Amino acid sequence: ETGVTQSPTHLIKTRGQQVTLRCSSQSGHNTVSWYQQALGQGPQFIFQYYREEENGRGNFPPRFSGLQFPNYSSELNVNALELDDSALYLCASSLMEISGANVLTFGAGSRLTVL
Amino acid sequence: KQEVTQIPAALSVPEGENLVLNCSFTDSAIYNLQWFRQDPGKGLTSLLLIQSSQREQTSGRLNASLDKSSGRSTLYIAASQPGDSATYLCALRRPLDSNYQLIWGAGTKLIIKP
Repeated sequence: ETGVTQSPTHLIKTRGQQVTLRCSSQSGHNTVSWYQQALGQGPQFIFQYYREEENGRGNFPPRFSGLQFPNYSSELNVNALELDDSALYLCASSLMEISGANVLTFGAGSRLTVL
Repeated sequence: KQEVTQIPAALSVPEGENLVLNCSFTDSAIYNLQWFRQDPGKGLTSLLLIQSSQREQTSGRLNASLDKSSGRSTLYIAASQPGDSATYLCALRRPLDSNYQLIWGAGTKLIIKP
């Protein structure tokens, strides 16, 4: 059983550019959520995908968008990068349960630096 | 608005000590609360999950308690070891939250000195 893998692990971009981060879910999981973690802070929820549809979103602008594919892997896209987008981006997969008690499995994250 | 606070931000103790990490929240209406461990370059690992109806959960040397009325959760680590050095974060889920999101504290960075 493989865990959650994210790529790339580190990347550097300049303001105004676009970035795509990728996440492979743990085997058997059908839900992916993305979090942004600034240095010294707790993660902030960006959005969640279930069966290829976004079913939850935090307080992030539309330039943060995502996709989930039939194999449940996912992408996070950020357009028009700003300096404040510099952060660790975490992907978590889970098996959606009606009770909502699903336990998340996190990847190691993608460290984005915007110059 | 639900807010989660973890104090202290950092803690350094000698190996072998028992210690308690604190997590406080402003709204007692929660669905569940989790404690995570974060190691550099290794992502987040779920340690313990406490449902709203539970008072505590135990796993090995770890014990987490939940007191909704006072808006507090504690993570007790017995007989600390250098391998316990990491950042510990608590996160909670609100009931019937259509966003399914976890609301996080900023974490406590724990250093266990050999």
